[in-house]
Formats: sequence, C-alpha cells, structure tokens
Amino acid sequence: DAGITQSPRHKVTETGTPVTLRCHQTENHRYMYWYRQDPGHGLRLIHYSYGVKDTDKGEVSDGYSVSRSKTEDFLLTLESATSSQTSVYFCAISGLAGGFSYNEQFFGPGTRLTVL
Amino acid sequence: SQQGEEDPQALSIQEGENATMNCSYKTSINNLQWYRQNSGRGLVHLILIRSNEREKHSGRLRVTLDTSKKSSSLLITASRAADTASYFCATDVLKFGGDDKIIFGKGTRLHILP
Repeated sequence: DAGITQSPRHKVTETGTPVTLRCHQTENHRYMYWYRQDPGHGLRLIHYSYGVKDTDKGEVSDGYSVSRSKTEDFLLTLESATSSQTSVYFCAISGLAGGFSYNEQFFGPGTRLTVL
Repeated sequence: SQQGEEDPQALSIQEGENATMNCSYKTSINNLQWYRQNSGRGLVHLILIRSNEREKHSGRLRVTLDTSKKSSSLLITASRAADTASYFCATDVLKFGGDDKIIFGKGTRLHILP
C-alpha cells in the first residue's frame, strides 16, 4: 500500500462542534483528495489539492474547508459539524512519483465520523 | 448526475465461476479505471485503460472498453472468496482547470459463494 495514513480512524462528535481530519502521505505525491462515502452515493469529492497551499472545491464542498501547508499533510475541517456530515471520509493521493501515472489514485484507510 | 454507473448493483456467484461487471458513462473520457474496496477498507486501484485501448489484462482481470458504446466491462476469471468486495469504475471527465480528478460510480457488490 502507498504510504497514506488518516487520523483519527474513528470519531464521534456532537452537532455544532469543529472537527479536523488529517491525511498524511510519505509518497511526495502532488495531488491529494478528500472524499466522503455514503450508501447510495458512492464516493464524492469534497476538496482536492494540487500543491502546497493550492486547493479547490469538489462536488460536495459546502460545510468543509481544507488546508495544505506541507506536501505530506492535507487537513479537512468541518467548522460546525452537522448530522448530514456523518460519513466515512477517505483521503487519496495521485501524481508522478515512483512511476505512478497521474490518474491512478491511492487511498487511505478511511475515517468513520459520526455526528450526533 | 453520475458519470459512471456500474451494473449490476450486486452480484453473487459460486467460487470458481467468472464474474462480469459493467460500467456505462455519459461523456467522452481519456481513461477509465477500476477499483476494488473490501469491507471497511479504502479503495485499491486495479487497472487503468486508456481511451485508445480496447482491452487490458492483469492477472485474472480482464477489462474491455468500448468508446462507441461508452461502456466498459470488468471480468474476473476463476473467482475466489477473496474477490468478495465492491468494485467501482472511475472516469476522468471533469477537469477543473486541467487538474487531475476522477468521478466514481456507485459500485457493484460482488459476493463469492463457497
């Protein structure tokens, strides 16, 4: 597996509280992504990053913000968590490193977030 | 609306049989990928096929691409219990400012029966 870790792996929080999820990679890949996975919806892109301090929105970005201050770390923040943000969150990476093509993505193990 | 749609949504077959899953998409693509997800795990990349390729093999996996029909199929031969997983197709249609992103379908749940 590519060197991607996510923390925490599980989190239960209450509505209205801020939550930050961390994705860390050791592959020096340029692109990093945050997805959420929900039954009946598959994987949906929240935000992505194409370099340090370079981020952009995906298809379901409302209520989420991201930051990337170092190549290896990509943070996803829920400023004020809502029950609709209960989901499994996956980080992924891609980019030219070690022979990987641009379009292949490598996924972290996921974070299961429950908002009560 | 979903770019890639897998069919069937769920599939149960006996161990040793072949499993075929299909993916249809709506707009032109540069490439199409298949991923596997075991229960409780992240997705794992299986194979990528470019739009100018018609067929690709990787071990027991065979992927075909028909750009005229906007469809792809994933064949797993001689299935094993370990193949039980969800399988997703992904296409690279949306490119915001030329950046590299892909859109995933909702997946086919494959169950291999002993």
